[in-house]
Amino acid sequence: AQSVTQPDIHITVSEGASLELRCNYSYGATPYLFWYVQSPGQGLQLLLKYFSGDTLVQGIKGFEAEFKRSQSSFNLRKPSVHWSDAAEYFCAVGARKFSGGYNKLIFGAGTRLAVHP
Amino acid sequence: DADVTQTPRNRITKTGKRIMLECSQTKGHDRMYWYRQDPGLGLRLIYYSFDVKDINKGEISDGYSVSRQAQAKFSLSLESAIPNQTALYFCATSDRTVGQPQHFGDGTRLSIL
Repeated sequence: AQSVTQPDIHITVSEGASLELRCNYSYGATPYLFWYVQSPGQGLQLLLKYFSGDTLVQGIKGFEAEFKRSQSSFNLRKPSVHWSDAAEYFCAVGARKFSGGYNKLIFGAGTRLAVHP
Repeated sequence: DADVTQTPRNRITKTGKRIMLECSQTKGHDRMYWYRQDPGLGLRLIYYSFDVKDINKGEISDGYSVSRQAQAKFSLSLESAIPNQTALYFCATSDRTVGQPQHFGDGTRLSIL
């Protein structure tokens, strides 16, 4: 069965510092992988996705993520955090096999990011 | 205008009341989903629909029902609300191609007293 673990519930960084949010997944094959961001009072916005090919994917707002098959990880990074990046971040795994007949996504519990000025 | 619109955005109601949350989309997607979000639990799938005639239960469908009135509209009902259904509810849509991302509305914050 698919599962997603985001080990860090809360992370605090200083503005301008680098950021890495961790995501580990469990799945029997190479999954589809997504990172979403949720700002207060808003829905989830897609930051980036991995389907195949280059394991380093670029997303919106200066974020990138690297798929590491050997570590079953898909960590999100940003070289320099801005105060507006404070939000909750969700990693999600999608099945490549048409299991259950829909685009099933399994979400991690989320990592809440705080940014100090 | 938002691609996925949820109404109401906030609702406070009492135990035992019937509540309907509505979702409409302009993305032209076939597939629509209802999730609930609870702190520390991420998002959990309540129901999903492939098209108007195809509705399926998700992980946590007990106590909920849905209606797909048209391709663009998917509503979620709580027949007799209970306090542990207090949560943030999201509607999402996706293209039919496997692996495509889901697109979310801004959510409905529901409080049941």
